[in-house]
Amino acid sequence: RKEVEQDPGPFNVPEGATVAFNCTYSNSASQSFFWYRQDCRKEPKLLMSVYSSGNEDGRFTAQLNRASQYISLLIRDSKLSDSATYLCVATNSGGSNYKLTFGKGTLLTVNP
Amino acid sequence: DGGITQSPKYLFRKEGQNVTLSCEQNLNHDAMYWYRQDPGQGLRLIYYSQIVNDFQKGDIAEGYSVSREKKESFPLTVTSAQKNPTAFYLCASSSSAEETQYFGPGTRLLVL
Repeated sequence: RKEVEQDPGPFNVPEGATVAFNCTYSNSASQSFFWYRQDCRKEPKLLMSVYSSGNEDGRFTAQLNRASQYISLLIRDSKLSDSATYLCVATNSGGSNYKLTFGKGTLLTVNP
Repeated sequence: DGGITQSPKYLFRKEGQNVTLSCEQNLNHDAMYWYRQDPGQGLRLIYYSQIVNDFQKGDIAEGYSVSREKKESFPLTVTSAQKNPTAFYLCASSSSAEETQYFGPGTRLLVL
Protein backbone atom coordinates (compact mmCIF):
# COMPACT_ATOMS: atom_id res chain seq x y z
CA ARG A 1 0.00 0.00 0.00
CA LYS A 2 1.34 3.41 -0.96
CA GLU A 3 2.10 5.59 2.06
CA VAL A 4 0.15 8.61 0.83
CA GLU A 5 -2.52 8.12 -1.82
CA GLN A 6 -4.42 10.83 -3.61
CA ASP A 7 -7.24 11.04 -6.12
CA PRO A 8 -5.51 10.38 -9.45
CA GLY A 9 -7.34 13.17 -11.25
CA PRO A 10 -7.08 15.12 -13.43
CA PHE A 11 -9.85 17.45 -12.35
CA ASN A 12 -11.27 19.88 -14.93
CA VAL A 13 -13.71 22.38 -13.46
CA PRO A 14 -15.25 25.70 -14.57
CA GLU A 15 -14.41 28.94 -12.85
CA GLY A 16 -16.45 29.39 -9.72
CA ALA A 17 -16.84 25.68 -9.05
CA THR A 18 -16.15 23.97 -5.75
CA VAL A 19 -13.67 21.12 -5.93
CA ALA A 20 -12.57 18.63 -3.28
CA PHE A 21 -9.39 16.57 -3.13
CA ASN A 22 -9.05 13.51 -0.95
CA CYS A 23 -5.98 11.82 0.43
CA THR A 24 -5.32 8.80 2.66
CA TYR A 25 -2.17 7.93 4.56
CA SER A 26 -1.01 4.53 5.77
CA ASN A 27 1.35 5.45 8.61
CA SER A 28 -0.77 5.86 11.73
CA ALA A 29 2.23 7.43 13.46
CA SER A 30 2.24 10.41 11.08
CA GLN A 31 2.04 13.56 13.14
CA SER A 32 1.58 16.46 10.77
CA PHE A 33 0.00 16.98 7.40
CA PHE A 34 0.20 19.57 4.67
CA TRP A 35 -1.12 20.50 1.27
CA TYR A 36 1.44 21.84 -1.18
CA ARG A 37 0.74 23.37 -4.55
CA GLN A 38 3.04 22.79 -7.51
CA ASP A 39 2.79 24.74 -10.73
CA CYS A 40 4.02 23.17 -13.95
CA ARG A 41 7.81 22.79 -13.93
CA LYS A 42 8.12 24.71 -10.67
CA GLU A 43 8.90 23.80 -7.08
CA PRO A 44 6.20 22.81 -4.57
CA LYS A 45 4.99 25.64 -2.35
CA LEU A 46 3.19 25.25 0.94
CA LEU A 47 -0.52 25.92 0.58
CA MET A 48 -1.59 25.13 4.11
CA SER A 49 -1.00 22.91 7.09
CA VAL A 50 -3.79 20.58 8.14
CA TYR A 51 -4.93 20.56 11.75
CA SER A 52 -7.15 18.06 13.56
CA SER A 53 -9.79 20.69 14.15
CA GLY A 54 -9.87 21.62 10.49
CA ASN A 55 -8.66 24.93 9.21
CA GLU A 56 -9.64 27.49 6.64
CA ASP A 57 -7.66 30.04 4.68
CA GLY A 58 -9.87 32.14 2.46
CA ARG A 59 -11.36 29.88 -0.20
CA PHE A 60 -9.39 26.85 1.00
CA THR A 61 -10.48 24.47 3.74
CA ALA A 62 -8.46 21.50 4.98
CA GLN A 63 -9.76 18.67 7.13
CA LEU A 64 -8.04 15.80 8.93
CA ASN A 65 -9.69 12.62 10.18
CA ARG A 66 -7.12 10.66 12.18
CA ALA A 67 -9.44 7.73 12.83
CA SER A 68 -9.90 7.15 9.09
CA GLN A 69 -6.38 8.39 8.21
CA TYR A 70 -7.95 10.74 5.72
CA ILE A 71 -7.15 14.30 4.65
CA SER A 72 -9.15 16.58 2.40
CA LEU A 73 -8.79 19.93 0.68
CA LEU A 74 -11.79 21.94 -0.45
CA ILE A 75 -11.44 24.85 -2.86
CA ARG A 76 -14.45 27.12 -3.19
CA ASP A 77 -15.12 29.61 -6.00
CA SER A 78 -12.27 28.26 -8.15
CA LYS A 79 -10.10 30.76 -10.00
CA LEU A 80 -8.09 30.24 -13.16
CA SER A 81 -4.98 30.80 -11.03
CA ASP A 82 -5.85 27.74 -8.92
CA SER A 83 -4.81 25.51 -11.84
CA ALA A 84 -1.89 23.45 -10.51
CA THR A 85 -1.00 20.08 -9.06
CA TYR A 86 -1.95 19.67 -5.40
CA LEU A 87 0.30 17.47 -3.27
CA CYS A 88 -0.84 15.78 -0.08
CA VAL A 89 2.00 15.40 2.41
CA ALA A 90 2.43 13.53 5.71
CA THR A 91 5.35 13.62 8.10
CA ASN A 92 7.01 10.61 9.66
CA SER A 93 8.54 12.75 12.34
CA GLY A 94 9.87 11.30 15.50
CA GLY A 95 12.16 13.29 17.72
CA SER A 96 14.05 15.70 15.49
CA ASN A 97 13.82 13.58 12.36
CA TYR A 98 11.45 15.32 9.98
CA LYS A 99 10.79 13.34 6.86
CA LEU A 100 7.96 14.15 4.52
CA THR A 101 6.09 11.60 2.43
CA PHE A 102 4.48 13.04 -0.68
CA GLY A 103 1.51 11.80 -2.63
CA LYS A 104 1.81 11.78 -6.41
CA GLY A 105 -0.40 14.83 -6.68
CA THR A 106 -3.72 15.68 -8.28
CA LEU A 107 -3.79 17.96 -11.30
CA LEU A 108 -6.46 20.64 -11.29
CA THR A 109 -7.36 22.67 -14.35
CA VAL A 110 -9.84 25.52 -13.90
CA ASN A 111 -11.43 26.53 -17.19
CA PRO A 112 -12.89 29.93 -18.14
CA ASP B 1 15.74 38.34 0.05
CA GLY B 2 15.66 35.22 2.21
CA GLY B 3 15.27 31.96 0.41
CA ILE B 4 16.71 28.87 -1.17
CA THR B 5 18.66 28.98 -4.40
CA GLN B 6 19.62 26.11 -6.65
CA SER B 7 21.97 26.13 -9.58
CA PRO B 8 22.14 25.50 -12.39
CA LYS B 9 18.54 25.53 -13.59
CA TYR B 10 19.40 22.96 -16.28
CA LEU B 11 22.32 20.54 -16.24
CA PHE B 12 23.47 18.08 -18.85
CA ARG B 13 25.47 15.01 -17.94
CA LYS B 14 27.54 12.83 -20.21
CA GLU B 15 27.90 9.10 -19.70
CA GLY B 16 30.30 8.26 -16.88
CA GLN B 17 30.42 11.83 -15.60
CA ASN B 18 29.83 13.03 -12.06
CA VAL B 19 27.90 16.28 -11.73
CA THR B 20 27.23 18.46 -8.69
CA LEU B 21 24.03 20.37 -8.02
CA SER B 22 24.23 23.41 -5.77
CA CYS B 23 21.79 24.31 -3.01
CA GLU B 24 22.18 27.38 -0.79
CA GLN B 25 19.83 28.84 1.82
CA ASN B 26 19.99 32.02 3.89
CA LEU B 27 17.00 31.19 6.07
CA ASN B 28 19.23 30.01 8.93
CA HIS B 29 17.53 26.62 8.72
CA ASP B 30 19.21 23.68 10.40
CA ALA B 31 17.84 20.91 8.19
CA MET B 32 18.26 20.50 4.45
CA TYR B 33 16.94 17.88 2.05
CA TRP B 34 17.35 16.62 -1.50
CA TYR B 35 14.43 15.14 -3.43
CA ARG B 36 14.05 13.70 -6.88
CA GLN B 37 10.84 14.07 -8.89
CA ASP B 38 10.06 12.00 -11.96
CA PRO B 39 7.06 12.65 -14.25
CA GLY B 40 3.83 11.43 -12.67
CA GLN B 41 5.63 10.48 -9.48
CA GLY B 42 5.73 11.89 -6.01
CA LEU B 43 8.88 13.43 -4.59
CA ARG B 44 11.37 10.86 -3.30
CA LEU B 45 13.94 11.65 -0.63
CA ILE B 46 17.58 11.16 -1.62
CA TYR B 47 19.53 12.53 1.38
CA TYR B 48 18.88 14.82 4.30
CA SER B 49 20.94 16.65 6.86
CA GLN B 50 19.75 17.89 10.23
CA ILE B 51 22.99 19.61 11.29
CA VAL B 52 26.33 20.61 9.86
CA ASN B 53 28.75 17.75 9.19
CA ASP B 54 26.00 15.15 9.48
CA PHE B 55 23.66 13.64 6.91
CA GLN B 56 21.54 10.52 6.42
CA LYS B 57 20.45 8.47 3.45
CA GLY B 58 16.90 8.83 2.29
CA ASP B 59 14.88 6.31 0.32
CA ILE B 60 16.89 6.40 -2.93
CA ALA B 61 20.47 7.34 -1.97
CA GLU B 62 22.28 4.89 -4.26
CA GLY B 63 24.31 6.69 -6.91
CA TYR B 64 24.29 10.01 -5.03
CA SER B 65 26.54 11.70 -2.49
CA VAL B 66 26.25 14.86 -0.39
CA SER B 67 28.24 17.02 1.99
CA ARG B 68 27.23 19.52 4.65
CA GLU B 69 30.32 21.54 5.53
CA LYS B 70 28.37 24.75 6.07
CA LYS B 71 24.91 25.39 7.45
CA GLU B 72 23.95 27.33 4.33
CA SER B 73 25.04 24.79 1.74
CA PHE B 74 24.08 21.20 0.88
CA PRO B 75 25.47 20.19 -2.53
CA LEU B 76 24.37 16.96 -4.21
CA THR B 77 26.66 14.96 -6.48
CA VAL B 78 25.08 12.63 -9.00
CA THR B 79 27.70 9.99 -9.64
CA SER B 80 28.23 7.78 -12.67
CA ALA B 81 26.77 4.95 -10.58
CA GLN B 82 23.33 6.53 -10.90
CA LYS B 83 22.10 4.85 -14.07
CA ASN B 84 18.90 6.81 -14.52
CA PRO B 85 19.69 10.35 -13.42
CA THR B 86 17.28 12.26 -15.65
CA ALA B 87 14.85 13.97 -13.26
CA PHE B 88 13.87 17.21 -11.56
CA TYR B 89 15.98 17.67 -8.42
CA LEU B 90 14.58 19.73 -5.57
CA CYS B 91 16.38 20.99 -2.50
CA ALA B 92 14.45 21.98 0.61
CA SER B 93 15.15 23.28 4.08
CA SER B 94 13.36 23.53 7.39
CA SER B 95 13.99 24.99 10.80
CA SER B 96 14.27 22.81 13.89
CA ALA B 97 11.17 24.51 15.27
CA GLU B 98 8.75 23.42 12.57
CA GLU B 99 8.23 20.58 10.13
CA THR B 100 7.31 22.69 7.13
CA GLN B 101 9.84 22.40 4.34
CA TYR B 102 10.55 25.18 1.88
CA PHE B 103 11.80 24.35 -1.59
CA GLY B 104 14.28 25.86 -3.99
CA PRO B 105 13.40 26.32 -7.67
CA GLY B 106 14.93 23.00 -8.70
CA THR B 107 17.49 21.74 -11.20
CA ARG B 108 16.56 19.68 -14.25
CA LEU B 109 19.22 17.10 -15.03
CA LEU B 110 19.35 15.58 -18.49
CA VAL B 111 21.64 12.89 -19.82
CA LEU B 112 23.31 13.44 -23.19
